[in-house]
Amino acid sequence: DAGVIQSPRHEVTEMGQEVTLRCKPISGHNSLFWYRQTMMRGLELLIYFNNNVPIDDSGMPEDRFSAKMPNASFSTLKIQPSEPRDSAVYFCASSFETSGNTIYFGEGSWLTVV
Amino acid sequence: AQSVTQPDIHITVSEGASLELRCNYSYGATPYLFWYVQSPGQGLQLLLKYFSGDTLVQGIKGFEAEFKRSQSSFNLRKPSVHWSDAAEYFCAVGHTGRRALTFGSGTRLQVQP
Repeated sequence: DAGVIQSPRHEVTEMGQEVTLRCKPISGHNSLFWYRQTMMRGLELLIYFNNNVPIDDSGMPEDRFSAKMPNASFSTLKIQPSEPRDSAVYFCASSFETSGNTIYFGEGSWLTVV
Repeated sequence: AQSVTQPDIHITVSEGASLELRCNYSYGATPYLFWYVQSPGQGLQLLLKYFSGDTLVQGIKGFEAEFKRSQSSFNLRKPSVHWSDAAEYFCAVGHTGRRALTFGSGTRLQVQP
């Protein structure tokens, strides 16, 4: 079975540019999570959706970040404009309610903003 | 609010030696507890989880963990470490009212030959 699929795997962009990260959750999963990993702050929850509805976006750093889930099989995390401090690994993860809170992670999108 | 503490940032063990990674959580009710492993350049892979019942849970790759409510702990153990176990290990906590997990800061395991 396919796991959580993220794209791009690696992105290098210039400060001020728009960055869009994409995620396809595991088929049948109804919760989707965006986490960010940095050396300084570890793994932080940015936002999570349940049945395509944002439930908690309190971790979104500022207005430059936005996330959407237009349907059950696709989500985007957008940063506009990007800044060097946004450099991090962004993980998408998904879960299904009968699995309890078990979350399955994608391989991550490694973002570098120069 | 729930929180997780992993007191050891970095641990080095010899191959074949036993391993215990510590995890303490803070949550008022019975939590869901998880251990994940992350190899360099990879995502997080689930090792094991505790929801209820037997407080000693078995996971993949020969790992086990024990939930101790009195100590608010969920330590990860392995009787004999292999070189391939070198990675970063994350403890996480969740509960029924919230689907998202809160992660600890991680423990990096180095295995010496």
